[in-house]
Amino acid sequence: ILNVEQSPQSLHVQEGDSTNFTCSFPSSNFYALHWYRWETAKSPEALFVMTLNGDEKKKGRISATLNTKEGYSYLYIKGSQPEDSATYLCASKRSGNTPLVFGKGTRLSVIA
Amino acid sequence: GAVVSQHPSRVICKSGTSVKIECRSLDFQATTMFWYRQFPKQSLMLMATSNEGSKATYEQGVEKDKFLINHASLTLSTLTVTSAHPEDSSFYICSARGDPSYEQYFGPGTRLTVT
Repeated sequence: ILNVEQSPQSLHVQEGDSTNFTCSFPSSNFYALHWYRWETAKSPEALFVMTLNGDEKKKGRISATLNTKEGYSYLYIKGSQPEDSATYLCASKRSGNTPLVFGKGTRLSVIA
Repeated sequence: GAVVSQHPSRVICKSGTSVKIECRSLDFQATTMFWYRQFPKQSLMLMATSNEGSKATYEQGVEKDKFLINHASLTLSTLTVTSAHPEDSSFYICSARGDPSYEQYFGPGTRLTVT
């Protein structure tokens, strides 16, 4: 069974601060790592799908890196804004037709 | 991204009754749909995977006779919680995928409370 861990569990930052959080996953038989952004009462929104070791992806002020050999991914938010407040989920997949296994998420609150 | 709807968003039912939750892919054909459950402060836990036109595959520990899943079309899957009990109270969320290589798109979830 895959065990996907995210840290920290929750985070409070001031508007304008940059922040980052971690997702760790078993590195054996790795296939893909997904990041989602989940606002309350809405559907989780896909941010990134990462497959290659050393991958770095960026979407506006949000970026993510991937290390498949050691089994971790970092999500970075530059210049946090109140609208970034959400739970950020990561999920790992072992092969193309297996389900995603999720971490518990990191709950980010950005204070204006 | 693609849109997945889920209905109802909240439901309260009495113990012993059954509740049906619908999951629809609005702008793509979902060959595979997934049903997850989330307890407070826990991760999304996969309950079952369903492929259109075939029986769902349930994860270990999930009772198939209690959580009935139907995926009769490429745009609709339903989860029926039969003879609900208070311990079934949880957040249920579906996701849909059009192809093994494509992204999974999530519905907004259903909060079930069994009294």
